[in-house]
Amino acid sequence: GQSLEQPSEVTAVEGAIVQINCTYQTSGFYGLSWYQQHDGGAPTFLSYNALDGLEETGRFSSFLSRSDSYGYLLLQELQMKDSASYFCAVRDLGSSNTGKLIFGQGTTLQVKP
Amino acid sequence: DTAVSQTPKYLVTQMGNDKSIKCEQNLGHDTMYWYKQDSKKFLKIMFSYNNKELIINETVPNRFSPKSPDKAHLNLHINSLELGDSAVYFCASSQEVWDPTGEQYFGPGTRLTVT
Repeated sequence: GQSLEQPSEVTAVEGAIVQINCTYQTSGFYGLSWYQQHDGGAPTFLSYNALDGLEETGRFSSFLSRSDSYGYLLLQELQMKDSASYFCAVRDLGSSNTGKLIFGQGTTLQVKP
Repeated sequence: DTAVSQTPKYLVTQMGNDKSIKCEQNLGHDTMYWYKQDSKKFLKIMFSYNNKELIINETVPNRFSPKSPDKAHLNLHINSLELGDSAVYFCASSQEVWDPTGEQYFGPGTRLTVT
């Protein structure tokens, strides 16, 4: 089966850089996705990494190392509005023809002034 | 333009009642999902339909029954509600079953409270 581990909470100050880690255990691998969810809101897709390396999208970047079964989400120039929960997700290959995503338990990021 | 919509947004009901949640997507996607998010924010898939065909049916009590009248709609009916059913239920959609990016579009959620 698949499993993912993330820190439960991270705190940082406005303007800083924060890294949210995700380690995964899978019997196969099709890529790592990241979602953001504000309190009371819906999860929204942020990024996807299939290959090793860093993918940058504005202030957010996502990194993957397949050999280490590890990825991270990097948030730069933190803003108060970045306070949210961040989830990593992978495919469940036991049902690879169904598109089933397995989510990590989420990391709550608190940005302080 | 709402991409994925759900009704109702809030649902407060008593144990033993039967309730339904409706979901509609206007993205033209083939695949739709129901997720349950508990109080610890753990997000777990319950069901998925692809072009009206049930393709994911997780270990969910059979009091939960999904129905997809067409590929733009996916409803969730819950019989004999229990306290443990209290959670936020999200509908989501993706372009196809095997969207390689794992990108899914989520509705605003339905917060179900069973008293």
